[in-house]
Amino acid sequence: KQEVTQIPAALSVPEGENLVLNCSFTDSAIYNLQWFRQDPGKGLTSLLLIQSSQREQTSGRLNASLDKSSGRSTLYIAASQPGDSATYLCAVEYNNRKLIWGLGTSLAVNP
Amino acid sequence: DVKVTQSSRYLVKRTGEKVFLECVQDMDHENMFWYRQDPGLGLRLIYFSYDVKMKEKGDIPEGYSVSREKKERFSLILESASTNQTSMYLCASSLWGLAVRETQYFGPGTRLLVL
Repeated sequence: KQEVTQIPAALSVPEGENLVLNCSFTDSAIYNLQWFRQDPGKGLTSLLLIQSSQREQTSGRLNASLDKSSGRSTLYIAASQPGDSATYLCAVEYNNRKLIWGLGTSLAVNP
Repeated sequence: DVKVTQSSRYLVKRTGEKVFLECVQDMDHENMFWYRQDPGLGLRLIYFSYDVKMKEKGDIPEGYSVSREKKERFSLILESASTNQTSMYLCASSLWGLAVRETQYFGPGTRLLVL
């Protein structure tokens, strides 16, 4: 069964800390992996998309890595800010065109 | 910037009513999607469409139907609303190709309460 798991479910850190969010998937036959951000009561915003042939993608203070062999992706946020507070979702598209979503990590960055 | 808009942010309906949720995107995207999002269950795909008048069932299509008469507009219809359809409904679009393959752009969501 194709599953996506995000750990931890919730995280609270002080401002300025570097942090890592984890996403694991059960089937290595993936096409791509995406990280999204969702603010409370709102839609999702795409942050980074990593194709299966890539190892990482960077955008500003965000860096996402992909290790297909171990079934893991990490989202690294450098120098966290209160504005980074949101829920971060991982979505894996498999080669069979199924898109499987994780439940997300709720991040609170405290001033 | 891609813009995906949904007709309502909040909606309250009664059991048995027919409910229409509208979604419009302004970037000429081929694919459009309807999801529902529930605590502990995450996002679940209801239906998607990869072209005008084309539709495909997602993971939980029961109790829903869709309509795509124009490329920019994708409607979700609850034929007879039930309390278990109380949820956050999210519309998304993506550029081209079958199913996903490209990043999706999401609307702000419609929070539906069925009494």
